[in-house]
Amino acid sequence: EVQLLESGGGLVQPGGSLRLSCIASGFRFSGYAIWVRQAPGKGLEWVSSISANDESTHYADTAKGRFTISRDISKNTLNLQMNSLRAEDTAIYYCARGYCVGTTCGNFDSWGQGTLVTVSS
Amino acid sequence: DIQMTQSPSSLSPSVGGRVTITCRASQSISNYLCWYQQKPGEAPRLLIYSASRLQTGVPSRFSGSGSGTDFTLTISSLQPEDFATYYCQQSYNTPHTFGQGTKLEIK
Repeated sequence: EVQLLESGGGLVQPGGSLRLSCIASGFRFSGYAIWVRQAPGKGLEWVSSISANDESTHYADTAKGRFTISRDISKNTLNLQMNSLRAEDTAIYYCARGYCVGTTCGNFDSWGQGTLVTVSS
Repeated sequence: DIQMTQSPSSLSPSVGGRVTITCRASQSISNYLCWYQQKPGEAPRLLIYSASRLQTGVPSRFSGSGSGTDFTLTISSLQPEDFATYYCQQSYNTPHTFGQGTKLEIK
């Protein structure tokens, strides 16, 4: 069974850092993957992607320069390092896998249950 | 960046009724369009991909159509479990932008 499980969320002060992880089971997490977030009571926002073949990375303007997406193939895990956190980064963060050629994707079929990040003093 | 405009923002349909949600892209995305269902406290669930392909396990009352810039999600006979929020997302390129969402509320 394909599963994604996020971890690493929590309460952090403004300016602080967190590292989110998304561990996959049931498949090899070497393909395209994304992070999506949802602020309380708001819609879905794509945050970042990592490509399958060349490991190229892409970021929303709101994440550029502060967030870094990466993967650890040996642990079958996708990561999101988040630095210089702001109150507006408060959200549930989801990981998902995609079926893509370059950055053009057929779909994102499997999602984790999400991990809550709260940025507050 | 490609902007996705979804309408309406909310609906109060009746069980058994037909529901249509539209999504418009700010430029052509061919058929690279996904639809998701999200219930409170749950992750998004993929319903439709490539604009019209039904994801495995999704009931056939859900259907999608469109290409280029204009897309539609239709629920042919609304069931009680379909009351949720629905999002479109373009998967053509990054940023993979979402529509604002359409909330189906019980009348």
